[in-house]
Amino acid sequence: DAGITQSPRHKVTETGTPVTLRCHQTENHRYMYWYRQDPGHGLRLIHYSYGVKDTDKGEVSDGYSVSRSKTEDFLLTLESATSSQTSVYFCAISEDGDYGYTFGSGTRLTVV
Amino acid sequence: QQQVKQSPQSLIVQKGGISIINCAYENTAFDYFPWYQQFPGKGPALLIAIRPDVSEKKEGRFTISFNKSAKQFSLHIMDSQPGDSATYFCAASSSGKLIFGQGTTLQVKP
Repeated sequence: DAGITQSPRHKVTETGTPVTLRCHQTENHRYMYWYRQDPGHGLRLIHYSYGVKDTDKGEVSDGYSVSRSKTEDFLLTLESATSSQTSVYFCAISEDGDYGYTFGSGTRLTVV
Repeated sequence: QQQVKQSPQSLIVQKGGISIINCAYENTAFDYFPWYQQFPGKGPALLIAIRPDVSEKKEGRFTISFNKSAKQFSLHIMDSQPGDSATYFCAASSSGKLIFGQGTTLQVKP
């Protein structure tokens, strides 16, 4: 998707290892979000950021941490991956926190 | 606690028919209600959205109906086409956070 890039696109990792997912935007939007998508649950908000170094928890934040040291980058870290964190992770950006969220293409994470 | 409840989970419609997806919310602080469309392997994309001060919004074949008193809103897809086959998510926003429903997988048969 134009203006927002997620990396990696796919990752397989072992239980107990740390994992960091990256979201990079070129739109200079203030708000950035991490969601996870699981069948039957839709998209659930993990963490979000409303500015550099300003972050807050979402619905399912346990086991995840985030950092935003620059406007364009929002990192999601799984400190010690568990099988329950196997999911598709989406980053989203928004200029004002309301209208027109733009989503990235997702990262498929498998924890074995 | 699921703040936005969506139904049905899946829907099969014949080409040319009307597809209807329903959502209900609990938090009266929600002030923006978008619908997103997602194709396999892609991220969700904004389809249409409504504010609670209007009861209906139409864009082409897509219409949102909003009932503030019942805390419900729905998406109607008129003249459904095979290209509309996708997963649809309703959502509600408050304080800079978007909360999604569980999603509806729509299949439009030729």
